[in-house]
Amino acid sequence: QVQLQESGPGVVKPSETLSLTCTVSGGSVSSSSYYWSWIRQSPGKGLEWIGFIFYIGSTNYNPLLKSRVTISVDTSKNQFSLRLSSVTAADTAIYYCARLKGSNWGYTHDFWGQGTLVTVSS
Amino acid sequence: QPVLTQPPSASASLGASVTLTCTLTSGYSNYKVDWYQQRPGKGPRFVMRVGSGEIVGSRGEGIPDRFSALGSGLNRSLTIKNIQEDDEGDYHCGADHANGNNFVFGGGTKLTVL
Repeated sequence: QVQLQESGPGVVKPSETLSLTCTVSGGSVSSSSYYWSWIRQSPGKGLEWIGFIFYIGSTNYNPLLKSRVTISVDTSKNQFSLRLSSVTAADTAIYYCARLKGSNWGYTHDFWGQGTLVTVSS
Repeated sequence: QPVLTQPPSASASLGASVTLTCTLTSGYSNYKVDWYQQRPGKGPRFVMRVGSGEIVGSRGEGIPDRFSALGSGLNRSLTIKNIQEDDEGDYHCGADHANGNNFVFGGGTKLTVL
């Protein structure tokens, strides 16, 4: 069974760049069958999709965050990463990585990491 | 894109049944919705996908058949029968908008097992 694990700093200063990595085990980020997503959940709010990447490097981002987001993939390490620039307190959230699977009925996030809390604070 | 609306909380007694709802905004009655279970301190877990009728595709890994789903009009519901303590947590619905161009989620429903 595939497992995903987020890692990165728990505190980021305002205006700086948030950087997180997701390590995949039990599966390969190089698989042509899946995409790899980042999703976040701010305190007291619902889930918000940030973006996804395919193993060849093609990406798709949430239009609301697009100007600040970069997602990259490292197939040699079986990892993919998130960078979110110019952070503010509104970016404080639990950040999840997830596998995105396509089917005849659309796309589903079928496996998720346990999440990592990132707090934006000076 | 659609907005998904969920009641913030629900409760049910051990061994009873509960139905959780997710309502799509007008104009999106043909959308399929994914249900996710999130136990305290854990990441979300895919439960199943439901369209305008019954479940679409398979249940998520390890999801028992006590979980079922139905869709009608703008409503997508998740029913849990014979509720166990393990079922307590947040339940989110989500939708794939424009075939993977964007993904939207509801605010989540916190299920308490009494």
